[in-house]
Amino acid sequence: DQQVKQNSPSLSVQEGRISILNCDYTNSMFDYFLWYKKYPAEGPTFLISISSIKDKNEDGRFTVFLNKSAKHLSLHIVPSQPGDSAVYFCAASRGGGKLIFGQGTELSVKP
Amino acid sequence: DTAVSQTPKYLVTQMGNDKSIKCEQNLGHDTMYWYKQDSKKFLKIMFSYNNKELIINETVPNRFSPKSPDKAHLNLHINSLELGDSAVYFCASSQDFSSGSRADTQYFGPGTRLTVL
Repeated sequence: DQQVKQNSPSLSVQEGRISILNCDYTNSMFDYFLWYKKYPAEGPTFLISISSIKDKNEDGRFTVFLNKSAKHLSLHIVPSQPGDSAVYFCAASRGGGKLIFGQGTELSVKP
Repeated sequence: DTAVSQTPKYLVTQMGNDKSIKCEQNLGHDTMYWYKQDSKKFLKIMFSYNNKELIINETVPNRFSPKSPDKAHLNLHINSLELGDSAVYFCASSQDFSSGSRADTQYFGPGTRLTVL
């Protein structure tokens, strides 16, 4: 039972344009959500997070949107840069330190 | 000054062997984790230790035994390795969530790719 899903395994975007990565979850008890970025042969790197009491959190070029009624979150990267090419994982938590991860979306930003 | 480090980065071994993976964090965190990333790229939590105490133990075969000599170290020992144990294993750490603060932001090590032949 996959509680966190990233339905797009890959995404290709032109440099300078917006990248939108999507994530859906099924468990309404999740109250904290995170995005991680992963380069090949490296560990996931924390990018940005959002609490369920908010619907938007912004950090530089990265913005995460949360739609609780739809159980959906998205990560917007504006403008996209070639260095953003990586696998992006969303994760959800209901506390206690247990993160549930999606299967990742591979972003490719073309120069 | 790596925050979360793991050794070795690559481990190739025969079925039936026993092996260990070491993890160390210098972030001053109280909680450490082991995750397994399987061939389908899912990252799944295996164990969590808080101040050397086992907190989370997912349905992992008891051939896997985590050991935490101190709160900066969490090692993973695997007995009688099987082909299905081949995966990338990630260690992570976070602040102490038991204090009531939200400490779900976890910081990951570089991973150990285990190949069982």
